[in-house]
Amino acid sequence: DVKVTQSSRYLVKRTGEKVFLECVQDMDHENMFWYRQDPGLGLRLIYFSYDVKMKEKGDIPEGYSVSREKKERFSLILESASTNQTSMYLCASSPGTGPNEKLFFGSGTQLSVL
Amino acid sequence: SQQGEEDPQALSIQEGENATMNCSYKTSINNLQWYRQNSGRGLVHLILIRSNEREKHSGRLRVTLDTSKKSSSLLITASRAADTASYFCATEDSNYQLIWGAGTKLIIKP
Repeated sequence: DVKVTQSSRYLVKRTGEKVFLECVQDMDHENMFWYRQDPGLGLRLIYFSYDVKMKEKGDIPEGYSVSREKKERFSLILESASTNQTSMYLCASSPGTGPNEKLFFGSGTQLSVL
Repeated sequence: SQQGEEDPQALSIQEGENATMNCSYKTSINNLQWYRQNSGRGLVHLILIRSNEREKHSGRLRVTLDTSKKSSSLLITASRAADTASYFCATEDSNYQLIWGAGTKLIIKP
């Protein structure tokens, strides 16, 4: 089975801190995604990557950056955390290029920014 | 931007009953997918239906797609307590982007 592992289940940070969220997948998937999930809003795409060292902005990239130095690892960086970035962050991966026919998700990181 | 909209937002039924959730979307799609999310966890892919398909089954799940009405429904038959979760639809548009709805929260009462 595909496994997508997010480094932290819960994280508490202070306003202004630099925050790193790590995601690793073990099935050689080409595509990786970072979403945030807020009550009543569903999933919103922050960034995605179709290949190593490649990144594309999603719907809400402001205040975030990403890094994909290796195929299996996709990191989300909050340059200067703010309280409105308190959210559940979900990493996902999918195989191949083109159609995203099945995403595999990590368990999520609940981030609280105080 | 959000395209899929699930209906109802919340649904509470007795164990053993059938649960039906609906998803509407706005633009043409390649496929429509349903995912389940248990409380505070990641999403799990349930089923995918392509734009040229009308109905698909997987175990106790039945999905229909009506492209003329731009809508889909997910039916869970003979519900169990373990089906308690939030259910999301995601539509893939012509640019291969996935667009998610806000979800239906399903509660199965014992």
